[in-house]
Amino acid sequence: QLQLQESGPGLVKPSETLSLTCTVSGGSISSASYYWAWIRQPPGKGLEWIGSIHYSGSIYDNPSLKSRVTISLDTSKNQFSLRLSSVTAADTAIYYCARRGSRYYLDSWGQGTLVTVSS
Amino acid sequence: DIQMTQSPSTLSASVGDRVTITCRASQSINNYLAWYQQRPGKAPKVLIYKASSLESGVPSRFSGSGSGTEFTLTISSLQVDDFATYYCQQYDSYSPTTFGQGTKLEIK
Repeated sequence: QLQLQESGPGLVKPSETLSLTCTVSGGSISSASYYWAWIRQPPGKGLEWIGSIHYSGSIYDNPSLKSRVTISLDTSKNQFSLRLSSVTAADTAIYYCARRGSRYYLDSWGQGTLVTVSS
Repeated sequence: DIQMTQSPSTLSASVGDRVTITCRASQSINNYLAWYQQRPGKAPKVLIYKASSLESGVPSRFSGSGSGTEFTLTISSLQVDDFATYYCQQYDSYSPTTFGQGTKLEIK
């Protein structure tokens, strides 16, 4: 059974870079059928898609984040990562990693990790 | 970006009720519409994909319908576990994919 688990610091200072990793078990991130995605949810608010990556290197990202986002893969560790630069309090959110399945919707999610931006 | 608008934002209902949530897209999305359920403190879970296809393992009291720009999620007979927040998502375009603002289903 596929499992995804986010990890990374829970507290980041303003203007610094948020870094998170998603570890995938029960499946390979090198599969041609899937993209691997990051989504976030500010406390008490709705879902915002951040971006997604394919093992081939193809990336879709959200233009609203103005090129602050870097998404990468480490196939040797079966992990993918998110870096979000120049963070502000508005980036405080629960960050989820997820799989975009072969039918193109998000069919498997991690449990989420809260990242707070504060000095 | 394709805008997704859900209504209502909050819905109060009782166990056993039939409820419907609506999602409208700002342009045609070729039925690439998914519905997710999110319980408090949990990750979203897909219920419906391609507007009307039931995800494996999801109870049959959930159903989706619609086409073009207007879609609905119906729960035929509410159970206690169904009180949660529901989101629609269009995935016709991943540049970017977008979600509705959510509908909170509360116990009356």
